[in-house]
Amino acid sequence: GENVGLHLPTLSVQEGDNSIINCAYSNSASDYFIWYKQESGKGPQFIIDIRSNMDKRQGQRVTVLLNKTVKHLSLQIAATQPGDSAVYFCAENSGGSYIPTFGRGTSLIVHP
Amino acid sequence: KAGVTQTPRYLIKTRGQQVTLSCSPISGHRSVSWYQQTPGQGLQFLFEYFSETQRNKGNFPGRFSGRQFSNSRSEMNVSTLELGDSALYLCASSPGLHTGELFFGEGSRLTVL
Repeated sequence: GENVGLHLPTLSVQEGDNSIINCAYSNSASDYFIWYKQESGKGPQFIIDIRSNMDKRQGQRVTVLLNKTVKHLSLQIAATQPGDSAVYFCAENSGGSYIPTFGRGTSLIVHP
Repeated sequence: KAGVTQTPRYLIKTRGQQVTLSCSPISGHRSVSWYQQTPGQGLQFLFEYFSETQRNKGNFPGRFSGRQFSNSRSEMNVSTLELGDSALYLCASSPGLHTGELFFGEGSRLTVL
């Protein structure tokens, strides 16, 4: 498969546990954030987004939390499954530019 | 609906050569952007096209260029290849300009020897 990040932070969890993946962003003007999932050999896939006028948004088994005070974003995955194993990226957009800046990514490994 | 299609998936070139990568966006999507992904630098923005015009450009040398055709298909070209150009090149499409969510292809893996 593709080695998209040889030195990525890694989170290992057991199947059924909840996972929390964190991301610190740099631009205080960023107002739109997206989480992407990238499985080995594939391109990134949209998971969930959040705008800066919100601090929480829920999807199917996923929740994104935004703390603008400390410029921190987190992705919570409930009842993690082996199919959730992938690299997860956060991306930020500032109001003046819709070109996302991607974080380095976190590798999630789910053990059956 | 077919996803974003990139060709070729894998290719090997030598230093000094040039390469052209192709991207067919999702039907109806008019914006195409390109990214370079490497272990050291992560995902870095190359350029964005909309209606056959380059709208934004990342911080890459002039050896990297691209274009978009009237059917929204896009190509990117890298001339005078260097070893450091070895990377996964990802194309992403979106329905319009500045619409947030990007739909990525599976990428073209370029190895420069």
